[in-house]
Amino acid sequence: DTGVSQNPRHKITKRGQNVTFRCDPISEHNRLYWYRQTLGQGPEFLTYFQNEAQLEKSRLLSDRFSAERPKGSFSTLEIQRTEQGDSAMYLCASSLDAGLYGYTFGSGTRLTVV
Amino acid sequence: GENVEQHPSTLSVQEGDSAVIKCTYSDSASNYFPWYKQELGKRPQLIIDIRSNVGEKKDQRIAVTLNKTAKHFSLHITETQPEDSAVYFCAASIEGGSYIPTFGRGTSLIVHP
Repeated sequence: DTGVSQNPRHKITKRGQNVTFRCDPISEHNRLYWYRQTLGQGPEFLTYFQNEAQLEKSRLLSDRFSAERPKGSFSTLEIQRTEQGDSAMYLCASSLDAGLYGYTFGSGTRLTVV
Repeated sequence: GENVEQHPSTLSVQEGDSAVIKCTYSDSASNYFPWYKQELGKRPQLIIDIRSNVGEKKDQRIAVTLNKTAKHFSLHITETQPEDSAVYFCAASIEGGSYIPTFGRGTSLIVHP
């Protein structure tokens, strides 16, 4: 296990298209988080899962965004009808329980909407 | 909700100097304060953290201090080296429960050789 893995690393898409990102957390971590990071800003929380249950969603997560973690392992984040404002780095993180051992971030997926 | 302010946004120092980054938080219930280092194009990595029952924590050249009364905490890096150049993020959270850190906007530290 080499840490949190995210795919793809980069995605360029045309406005209005749908995109899906994948995150594979550290295998023994039961919590998985999605963040968005824009240039010059810290990571902004989007949503998190405890096992397969999605427990919290930020107001930043509009109806065009949906996240799943069907078997409590990997997670997907889908953005429908992308807009230029969706361009950002999407970071995934995982932790064991309530983050007692700190988050481990993935390398992120950089989305560019043209 | 929690609000974390981080200053300065950019910090430029000479190699060997000390660097201090300060953060304030708003939620007095926050009790866990991690710091992350993010090098260009890489993931944020935890470098040090402090819990509210501790006033100061050190790890080699880095230290973090916490003032619960004033609701601020700081990262101190001594004897800076060029490889310390990165963006540093502070965060505040409530350990246990949902445990979702609120991040500061980041400080870009540049260490000149």
